[in-house]
Amino acid sequence: GENVEQHPSTLSVQEGDSAVIKCTYSDSASNYFPWYKQELGKRPQLIIDIRSNVGEKKDQRIAVTLNKTAKHFSLHITETQPEDSAVYFCAASFNDYKLSFGAGTTVTVRA
Amino acid sequence: NAGVTQTPKFQVLKTGQSMTLQCAQDMNHNSMYWYRQDPGMGLRLIYYSASEGTTDKGEVPNGYNVSRLNKREFSLRLESAAPSQTSVYFCASSYGTLQETQYFGPGTRLLVL
Repeated sequence: GENVEQHPSTLSVQEGDSAVIKCTYSDSASNYFPWYKQELGKRPQLIIDIRSNVGEKKDQRIAVTLNKTAKHFSLHITETQPEDSAVYFCAASFNDYKLSFGAGTTVTVRA
Repeated sequence: NAGVTQTPKFQVLKTGQSMTLQCAQDMNHNSMYWYRQDPGMGLRLIYYSASEGTTDKGEVPNGYNVSRLNKREFSLRLESAAPSQTSVYFCASSYGTLQETQYFGPGTRLLVL
């Protein structure tokens, strides 16, 4: 299967600053990399994803980059706001139906 | 649309008891999944069903069974619960493969004593 490592495990940023979360994966055949946001006591929700034929994708204040050679991908949140406080999970697919998740990053945005 | 629903929301079991977690989706999705979430470990796939009539093992299937009852419903059964199965269980669905958005249910919190 796939092994996904996620860093850091916790991240505290000042409101308005940027946040970056990094993930590495082990299976070079992985071709789909989603990111999920989970607020306290809620379900995970997809916020952005990237496929292996794309190097970068942006959606308003969030962006994801993928380096297939190095087998790592990152989530970038710019101009952080209090509502960005949550746990963020990266994941990598190792077949059409199986995702392997990172352990999560707890992001706290300080006002 | 209710999306993905799960019952119950919370359950306490004694070691050795059995129970079934229910999941239903009203989005006409073909694929359904069961995950467990433990502190510090992210989500781990237990079983999935790529389409009605098929089920396959995920990363951590031991101690669980599943049934894809019809296109809408996918249940998870614990035959003899163990304390190691204390976790939050999430059901999810997607229209096709994972490359289409996966939607999660609200979760079931299970405590096995």
